[in-house]
Amino acid sequence: TQTVSQSDAHVTVFEGDSVELRCNYSYGGSIYLSWYIQHHGHGLQFLLKYYSGNPVVQGVNGFEAEFSKSDSSFHLRKASVHWSDSAVYFCAVSPNSGTYQRFGTGTKLQVVP
Amino acid sequence: EAAVTQSPRNKVTVTGGNVTLSCRQTNSHNYMYWYRQDTGHGLRLIHYSYGAGNLQIGDVPDGYKATRTTQEDFFLLLELASPSQTSLYFCASSDVGNTLYFGEGSRLIVV
Repeated sequence: TQTVSQSDAHVTVFEGDSVELRCNYSYGGSIYLSWYIQHHGHGLQFLLKYYSGNPVVQGVNGFEAEFSKSDSSFHLRKASVHWSDSAVYFCAVSPNSGTYQRFGTGTKLQVVP
Repeated sequence: EAAVTQSPRNKVTVTGGNVTLSCRQTNSHNYMYWYRQDTGHGLRLIHYSYGAGNLQIGDVPDGYKATRTTQEDFFLLLELASPSQTSLYFCASSDVGNTLYFGEGSRLIVV
């Protein structure tokens, strides 16, 4: 069974700061790992995903994430956040078949102007 | 642009009532999903389907039925709604590449 955990429910940073949102997973085989963003009152939108190859993947709007097999992690990073990055971020894991995704509990990022 | 449309966007029903949530996608995707979102739980998978007439059970299926009538349309049925089913429901579709495209959500309140 694939599971994903996000240990930080809330993260607050100032505009222009860097941020790292943490995601850890457990799995029994090959998996996809993804990050999604949810702005208040809307559905989730895809940011980036990893399956194989370069462990650092680039996403939209300056986000990147790094896969680590040894740490069972897939942390999301941004070098300089903007107030518009305030949202809830979800990490998701999917089996190799890609048939479904399981989500973490989400991390609410608040960027203070 | 991929599109997933949910209806109704908001619904209030009484305990024991009958509710149908509808989802239509115009992405030509094979896979469609129903999730519920609750504080502290994130998104939890209720049911999903990989084509018309197909239904797969997710992680929290109890109290829910679903039906995929066409490639475009996926319905979630609550035949005897309970207050524990008060939630924000999301429909999503995906292609083989595994990226989910979500609707805007349907907020259901069961009183």
